[in-house]
Amino acid sequence: EAQVTQNPRYLITVTGKKLTVTCSQNMNHEYMSWYRQDPGLGLRQIYYSMNVEVTDKGDVPEGYKVSRKEKRNFPLILESPSPNQTSLYFCASGLRAGVADTQYFGPGTRLTVL
Amino acid sequence: ELKVEQNPLFLSMQEGKNYTIYCNYSTTSDRLYWYRQDPGKSLESLFVLLSNGAVKQEGRLMASLDTKARLSTLHITAAVHDLSATYFCAGVLKTSYDKVIFGPGTSLSVIP
Repeated sequence: EAQVTQNPRYLITVTGKKLTVTCSQNMNHEYMSWYRQDPGLGLRQIYYSMNVEVTDKGDVPEGYKVSRKEKRNFPLILESPSPNQTSLYFCASGLRAGVADTQYFGPGTRLTVL
Repeated sequence: ELKVEQNPLFLSMQEGKNYTIYCNYSTTSDRLYWYRQDPGKSLESLFVLLSNGAVKQEGRLMASLDTKARLSTLHITAAVHDLSATYFCAGVLKTSYDKVIFGPGTSLSVIP
């Protein structure tokens, strides 16, 4: 089944404790992206990647890192999480950058930083 | 900078009625997406609109794009309860492929 998976789905952590949220897709998509969703603010793009080893900042990259060492995986790293990073995070993938294709979203990761 | 606005933000409508959600964007967008999100769920793609005058239909939903007016609409025909969800439009910066900007979403509630 074609899908985007994220792990963990739920995470409660404390300020400053490094964490990684994994994202994997099995559709051989070149394009992958991370979003955060906050009440009243909608979805905002954090980082995106147009292919292996090619990443770029979205609208709200501060406090986040990403890497794209393999086509299928695009982990989101919070080196020193803070409470303002409490949010619902979505990973998405699409066929190819610049192609008018839709994005397929993962199930979401609800992160709480205390 | 691309800004995407939607109105209304909240919509309560009766079953069987028609209504339109509007999506305005501030500068040239390479393409326009519509997504649906059910409460507590992920986003599901509805439509991708590429060019001026594009119209796409799926069931009771029809989306259109007017690039000159920088406006996309999502028209709901004869609403049913199953259409209750939040609907997002999103644009893409023409100068930076795939930097996606979402609108704030329209929360639709269809009541019997």
